Amino acid sequence: DAGVTQSPTHLIKTRGQQVTLRCSPKSGHDTVSWYQQALGQGPQFIFQYYEEEERQRGNFPDRFSGHQFPNYSSELNVNALLLGDSALYLCASSRGQGVNPYQETQYFGPGTRLLVL
Amino acid sequence: RKEVEQDPGPFNVPEGATVAFNCTYSNSASQSFFWYRQDCRKEPKLLMSVYSSGNEDGRFTAQLNRASQYISLLIRDSKLSDSATYLCVVPVSGYSTLTFGKGTMLLVSP
Repeated sequence: DAGVTQSPTHLIKTRGQQVTLRCSPKSGHDTVSWYQQALGQGPQFIFQYYEEEERQRGNFPDRFSGHQFPNYSSELNVNALLLGDSALYLCASSRGQGVNPYQETQYFGPGTRLLVL
Repeated sequence: RKEVEQDPGPFNVPEGATVAFNCTYSNSASQSFFWYRQDCRKEPKLLMSVYSSGNEDGRFTAQLNRASQYISLLIRDSKLSDSATYLCVVPVSGYSTLTFGKGTMLLVSP
């Protein structure tokens, strides 16, 4: 049973560029959440997708956008990259409608390390 | 008060020691909580869930004090393999999204 997978593992971009990160959820999971983890910080919630729609969004600018496909996989897009976007981007998957977080354990992928120069 | 605050650490302890981490949260409506463990340059992994007053799993004990909006994680008989960052996590009410603390680093030495 494959867990959450993410690609690429590492990425180097320059300021102003655009980046797309990909995530495949754990088998049987239909909800995908994205988190940004800066060095020395805890993960920060970006947004969550369920049934191909953005269900909830954290405090991130519109430069951060996403998509969920019919097979539940997801993409995170970041436009006009800033130096401050350098971080570990984590994808987490879970199963359920999001009404009971205590029963919908989130499983994290290994993350994508993005460096913006 | 920040949404989730943790002891900044790092905690340096010898093998066999007992160590406790503290976490406070701001949303009094929060019902349950999690402790995640994150190894260096790895993803967070669920360590324990805390639903009522506390939870115990082997050497690990999590306690919840709702009146003080305070959660703790106690690790007994520390092992070298316990070295990691421990993240206090509070679900956002109504949705399965998580608010993380900054984490507390634990270093267990021989």
